Amino acid sequence: KQEVTQIPAALSVPEGENLVLNCSFTDSAIYNLQWFRQDPGKGLTSLLLIQSSQREQTSGRLNASLDKSSGRSTLYIAASQPGDSATYLCAVCEEDDKIIFGKGTRLHILP
Amino acid sequence: DTEVTQTPKHLVMGMTNKKSLKCEQHMGHRAMYWYKQKAKKPPELMFVYSYEKLSINESVPSRFSPECPNSSLLNLHLHALQPEDSALYLCASSQVGLAGGPETQYFGPGTRLLVL
Repeated sequence: KQEVTQIPAALSVPEGENLVLNCSFTDSAIYNLQWFRQDPGKGLTSLLLIQSSQREQTSGRLNASLDKSSGRSTLYIAASQPGDSATYLCAVCEEDDKIIFGKGTRLHILP
Repeated sequence: DTEVTQTPKHLVMGMTNKKSLKCEQHMGHRAMYWYKQKAKKPPELMFVYSYEKLSINESVPSRFSPECPNSSLLNLHLHALQPEDSALYLCASSQVGLAGGPETQYFGPGTRLLVL
């Protein structure tokens, strides 16, 4: 059974710092992996999607990498801003189209 | 238009009530999803519709009944719910990829359900 783990569970960093969020999964037979952010009480906003054949995707200050064989993905956020404060979730889509979320990393950027 | 809309935003219902949640998208997506999210927990997949056909049912109790009347609409019919069913119910949609799997998912804001 696929398990998705996100480390750390919570992170506080000063504004302007670069940071890395981690996501690991136990079964490498995935279709794709997606990173989301969720603000309190709101829906999810898609950040980046990486297909299983890809190694990384970039959007603005965000860069997501995927190492399928080792079951790892990272989300790199450059030059963090207070508006980046949110919960970041990774979701693995398996080859049978089932989608499993990690528990998320609660990020707080200190002004 | 990259928006998924959900109605109502909030719903309070008794255990004997029947109610429905509605989700709509006009992005031409052919896959639609229902998730349940409890406080401080990640979303849990409930149902997936692909090309208006139910493709995944994650062993959800029959008191939850999904319906996809057309490619833009997704309903979740609720009947005889329990207090533990109180949660945020999220709808999402996506394109279907060439290999048949989901592409980027777009989420609605959710319906916050309270069962008394």
